Amino acid sequence: GQNIDQPTEMTATEGAIVQINCTYQTSGFNGLFWYQQHAGEAPTFLSYNVLDGLEEKGRFSSFLSRSKGYSYLLLKELQMKDSASYLCAVSDSNYQLIWGAGTKLIIKP
Amino acid sequence: GAVVSQHPSRVICKSGTSVKIECRSLDFQATTMFWYRQFPKQSLMLMATSNEGSKATYEQGVEKDKFLINHASLTLSTLTVTSAHPEDSSFYICSAPYGTSDYNEQFFGPGTRLTVL
Repeated sequence: GQNIDQPTEMTATEGAIVQINCTYQTSGFNGLFWYQQHAGEAPTFLSYNVLDGLEEKGRFSSFLSRSKGYSYLLLKELQMKDSASYLCAVSDSNYQLIWGAGTKLIIKP
Repeated sequence: GAVVSQHPSRVICKSGTSVKIECRSLDFQATTMFWYRQFPKQSLMLMATSNEGSKATYEQGVEKDKFLINHASLTLSTLTVTSAHPEDSSFYICSAPYGTSDYNEQFFGPGTRLTVL
């Protein structure tokens, strides 16, 4: 079966760094996406990885290891507005997105 | 970037009525659109894949006669929740892929909050 695992909830301090992990098992792989979703809103795109390695985009970075079926999203210099759910999604062999359950990130002052 | 709109953003209806939700790709054509449902504190659940000019493909457990999908043009897909009941209350989100064959990013509509009384 297809499966994506990520932690349910994480807590971090404003100004700190947090890493959200995602492991996956899917039928085929055409890339991994990270989305941010604030409560009551639709998801917004953060990053896309299809090759192994680190993709950096401002305060956010995303890493992928295809051999390990593993990705992480790294958030630096945390701000209160970063409090949200972070969704990991994998594009399978049919280019259909398989979604993780999301990680709720709580930022404390 | 590509923009997807949804209408209405919120709807409250009585049990037994039907509700239509529109999803539009504003600056690109979408032969495929996806409809998701999200219950509180849960992740997105794919309901169906809407295909322009042909029948939608429904995920297992989703009643096609209850959730009618029409993708009549390359920029519009509609989801009609027929005979809505309180358990259908949820956040409905559509998305459309845009990009090359090697890289397709999903662009999401803002979502529709449905409350059935």
